[in-house]
Amino acid sequence: AQSVTQLGSHVSVSEGALVLLRCNYSSSVPPYLFWYVQYPNQGLQLLLKYTSAATLVKGINGFEAEFKKSETSFHLTKPSAHMSDAAEYFCAVSANNAGNMLTFGGGTRLMVKP
Amino acid sequence: EPEVTQTPSHQVTQMGQEVILRCVPISNHLYFYWYRQILGQKVEFLVSFYNNEISEKSEIFDDQFSVERPDGSNFTLKIRSTKLEDSAMYFCASSNRGGTEAFFGQGTRLTVV
Repeated sequence: AQSVTQLGSHVSVSEGALVLLRCNYSSSVPPYLFWYVQYPNQGLQLLLKYTSAATLVKGINGFEAEFKKSETSFHLTKPSAHMSDAAEYFCAVSANNAGNMLTFGGGTRLMVKP
Repeated sequence: EPEVTQTPSHQVTQMGQEVILRCVPISNHLYFYWYRQILGQKVEFLVSFYNNEISEKSEIFDDQFSVERPDGSNFTLKIRSTKLEDSAMYFCASSNRGGTEAFFGQGTRLTVV
């Protein structure tokens, strides 16, 4: 069984500031981990994924995430927020022995202030 | 760039009516999924489909739900007799193999009145 917890349903940062969105997971088997972004009135777009290769994963739009097994975390970061980053971000986990079913966290709405 | 397409984007239906949500997955993908997101809640897995049969389903996916791949390109979700609590955004997704990322469609917003 897997689960995902995203701390903070809303995060507000100033433009140019560091973005940190937290994700902790639990999984009974080695996980695959994903971050998806959802812009208003749009579907889910993959930002990045961890599939047991490098623990620091770089994604699109300058985002990256680090898999820390000891902390069961996969936090998403971006050094400098842009207004266009305002969206909802979802962390998700799947079991690497099947990979079919994604379990999502509750989502974090990122707001970027000018 | 290939994408998953869903139709319609918004469907309003009366309680008790049957609805069919349609999806065209990415053409060389083999795994197909439906998820839903009730307003203000998490995205929830409904069902996965591979090799013309259901491979996994959640507790939500009860006898009122069914999926079909009728013609090799479309992937449909049928809700037999809709309830008010079926109102949600329904997302279709596909992947080319298990364990890789799923590509999501734009979603169909289902409103049951």
